[in-house]
Amino acid sequence: SAVISQKPSRDICQRGTSLTIQCQVDSQVTMMFWYRQQPGQSLTLIATANQGSEATYESGFVIDKFPISRPNLTFSTLTVSNMSPEDSSIYLCSVGPADREIFDTEAFFGQGTRLTVV
Amino acid sequence: AQTVTQSQPEMSVQEAETVTLSCTYDTSESDYYLFWYKQPPSRQMILVIRQEAYKQQNATENRFSVNFQKAAKSFSLKISDSQLGDAAMYFCAYRRRGYGGSQGNLIFGKGTKLSVKP
Repeated sequence: SAVISQKPSRDICQRGTSLTIQCQVDSQVTMMFWYRQQPGQSLTLIATANQGSEATYESGFVIDKFPISRPNLTFSTLTVSNMSPEDSSIYLCSVGPADREIFDTEAFFGQGTRLTVV
Repeated sequence: AQTVTQSQPEMSVQEAETVTLSCTYDTSESDYYLFWYKQPPSRQMILVIRQEAYKQQNATENRFSVNFQKAAKSFSLKISDSQLGDAAMYFCAYRRRGYGGSQGNLIFGKGTKLSVKP
């Protein structure tokens, strides 16, 4: 299994500012995933972060708005830039499955960051 | 593209009774995984049960079981002897089988909010 520490757990931010969310994993993983969960909605993949390469963004998400860093195999950050109220969501990081054989099936999630933009 | 559909936005069950949550999916793949995740108010995503598509036998985990109908692309979750702690959002999710690249992320349904009445 994997233990993921995500912080901050929540924040209230002014529009136009940026927030960086951190995700720390207790084991080395090749891929980390960042999801957004808008109020009352499901989880939508923002991007896949591989160590040593540029993150791969899903349709509708761009690097200028959601820059991601992946400096090593246990850590990643997601920045929400130039925030507007529409960015108010829960952001979750995840590792696995399909990283290594031990993660073949289950995905593990951080506890999420509840972001409110005012 | 794969899609996951949960047609029940909300469900309610009496404590100690049984409830079934519905999920259908669409894919052209023959080998994949299906999951049910639980998200309580704490926001933590908790794996409830998983099913490998190549297995005909339905997965069970204590009070939780699935009815996996591969030809119909249906994957329902049955919760027996419902408990107050079962109240949460339940998400059905799909993942392609394999390692690396875009195969690692989960595709989620919109979720079903389950209430348990004492």
